[in-house]
Amino acid sequence: NAGVTQTPKFQVLKTGQSMTLQCAQDMNHEYMSWYRQDPGMGLRLIHYSVGAGITDQGEVPNGYNVSRSTTEDFPLRLLSAAPSQTSVYFCASSQTRPGGGPTQYFGPGTRLLVL
Amino acid sequence: TQLLEQSPQFLSIQEGENLTVYCNSSSVFSSLQWYRQEPGEGPVLLVTVVTGGEVKKLKRLTFQFGDARKDSSLHITAAQPGDTGLYLCAGGRQGGKLIFGQGTELSVKP
Repeated sequence: NAGVTQTPKFQVLKTGQSMTLQCAQDMNHEYMSWYRQDPGMGLRLIHYSVGAGITDQGEVPNGYNVSRSTTEDFPLRLLSAAPSQTSVYFCASSQTRPGGGPTQYFGPGTRLLVL
Repeated sequence: TQLLEQSPQFLSIQEGENLTVYCNSSSVFSSLQWYRQEPGEGPVLLVTVVTGGEVKKLKRLTFQFGDARKDSSLHITAAQPGDTGLYLCAGGRQGGKLIFGQGTELSVKP
């Protein structure tokens, strides 16, 4: 049982490049989400999914796309990277919506630098 | 404007001291969660409180949810170097999403 896995761990991009951050969970959780963490700002929700085929926007969705074709995988796509997207990205999963109290499990994070 | 304000943002104390971290908002939350995050890792859930006035204890850590479900506190008794880390509070909002505070960086020196 690996929990939530994320790849890559580190990435350097040039402005304008695109890339996909991978996230997978093996706990059969319905709810998955992507957050970004910046110094002094806690975690901010980018996109989330309540199940396969269903996604929605969070607080800071601009510049990012997601899809959820399977229960296990929830990739995050940066369409055209900008320096403002330099951040640490966390994927998380929980059995149901985390605001209702169930435990949300986080991956180890992807550290992204956009030059 | 941060919906959930955490204070203090930084705290450096000696081993054995007590400390309290506060999480405040003008909004009502359905639940309040506390996480601890170590460098290079994702946050790990410590506790969830869902009832106004609820108090939960986890060894030397005491968590309280305000009566009006707008604020929460984390109290650590006799802090140890192993308590060092980033502590995050997160409130449950409409639709089941979580809103995170800015975090409190705690350093406990031996």
